[in-house]
Amino acid sequence: QSVLTQPPSVSGAPGQRVTISCTGSSSNIGAGYDVHWYRQLPGKAPNLLIFGNSNRPSGVPDRFSGSKSGTSASLAITGLQADDEADYYCQSYDGSDIVFGTGTKVAVL
Amino acid sequence: QALLVESGGGLVKPGGSLRISCEGSGFAFRDSYMSWIRQAPGKGLEWLSYISSSGVTIYDADSVKGRFTTSRDYAKDSLYLQMNSLRAEDTAVYYCAKVSYYYDTFGYYHYYFDSWGQGTLVTVSS
Repeated sequence: QSVLTQPPSVSGAPGQRVTISCTGSSSNIGAGYDVHWYRQLPGKAPNLLIFGNSNRPSGVPDRFSGSKSGTSASLAITGLQADDEADYYCQSYDGSDIVFGTGTKVAVL
Repeated sequence: QALLVESGGGLVKPGGSLRISCEGSGFAFRDSYMSWIRQAPGKGLEWLSYISSSGVTIYDADSVKGRFTTSRDYAKDSLYLQMNSLRAEDTAVYYCAKVSYYYDTFGYYHYYFDSWGQGTLVTVSS
C-alpha cells in the first residue's frame, strides 16, 4: 500500500497544461525528503523525468516541471502531446523505505 | 549510457524459488548502488531492495524481507535477486535499476533511479 497518493487519472487536450499531484505526509515528503518523477509508456519500463523535486535529466524537455511544498509535490506538463499518454509515478523516501506514488494515467483527448 | 538487462524470469509454482539476474554495462557498475523494483500486472511500482556499491549495505522492503535476497557479482557486473517461498502475489515484472543519490545540508540522503532495465516477468502459479 503506497504512502504517496496520486490522482488515478488526468486528461487534457493537445497543447494544454496538466498537473499531477503527489500527496505524502510528515514522515516522507513533509520530513524533507525530495520527490522524483517517472514516466512509463505503455508496455515499457519507467524512465526518470524529474529528480530532486524540480531537476530535469538531460534530454527531458522543459515542458515537464516539478515542484514541492509541504507534504505534497506536483508535476506539470505543458504543451500536452499525444505521446505524453503514459503512467506517471512520484517517488520519495519514508523512514527506511523508498516509496512510490499510486500512479496517474495521463490521457490526451 | 547505462544499459541494464534482466533475465531469468519464468513460471514457478507457489512455494518455489527462482533467481533473476541483471547485467549492467555502459557505466561503472562496481561504483553504483543498485535496486530491484517490481510491478504486478495492472498495478503500480513497488520498491523491493537496494544494495550499496560495496555490497555491505542492503535494505529490503518489509513485503519481501526474509524471503528475497539481493546480491551482486563484481566480476560479472551483475545484480541478483534470489526469491524463495514464492506466492501468487509475487507475480510481477521485476525491474533492476541504477540508483543515484545525494545528501542535503540536513544530512538526509535522497535516492532515485536514473536507469532501468526492460524487466523480466515472474509468474507464480500452479
